[in-house]
Amino acid sequence: GAGVSQSPSNKVTEKGKDVELRCDPISGHTALYWYRQSLGQGLEFLIYFQGNSAPDKSGLPSDRFSAERTGGSVSTLTIQRTQQEDSAVYLCASSRFLSQETQYFGPGTRLLVL
Amino acid sequence: AQTVTQSQPEMSVQEAETVTLSCTYDTSESNYYLFWYKQPPSRQMILVIRQEAYKQQNATENRFSVNFQKAAKSFSLKISDSQLGDTAMYFCALRDDNNDMRFGAGTRLTVKP
Repeated sequence: GAGVSQSPSNKVTEKGKDVELRCDPISGHTALYWYRQSLGQGLEFLIYFQGNSAPDKSGLPSDRFSAERTGGSVSTLTIQRTQQEDSAVYLCASSRFLSQETQYFGPGTRLLVL
Repeated sequence: AQTVTQSQPEMSVQEAETVTLSCTYDTSESNYYLFWYKQPPSRQMILVIRQEAYKQQNATENRFSVNFQKAAKSFSLKISDSQLGDTAMYFCALRDDNNDMRFGAGTRLTVKP
């Protein structure tokens, strides 16, 4: 594809509901990354995938957060039992390979938990 | 642990003038990459420029250049001939061989007509 795409672009949900965020990386990119950006803040790294594997999940904020990637392409970030503090922009990025490669970002999903 | 510090939360510059955004970092790694990303109101993070730590020559991309001072762990971004479209948040980032990528808190740049 032409770039990294994410859906939905905006999501409003009620506290306690589950949400699923989707990321489509650039075609052929083996590495995929998830970040969270709270209002007016920098980016907080959450998790990365090399292929379908996520070797280090320690960046996920809590056990309510999970992520998966299938077919070495699309990834989903799932937040269970959402809380108001989960409100943020969730950014996805991809790179050709894992090491020393420039990451290209998607437009993000703005999540608002009421 | 790696840290990236951007000490200027906000800056402004007149159109056509030059502005420099500061970034300092700390890492124990010998091999790493440094990046400047731009995030306009559209929210899309766009790579502006990148620098390999092992290269002494400062990276340049058109109107954008960096002043990389490895010993001082400084990586500033100079924007020449500022344009209205340069208005955005600018993030400095550091990535090491362990794939640990850290971003600074950002500098909000406003280009005034």
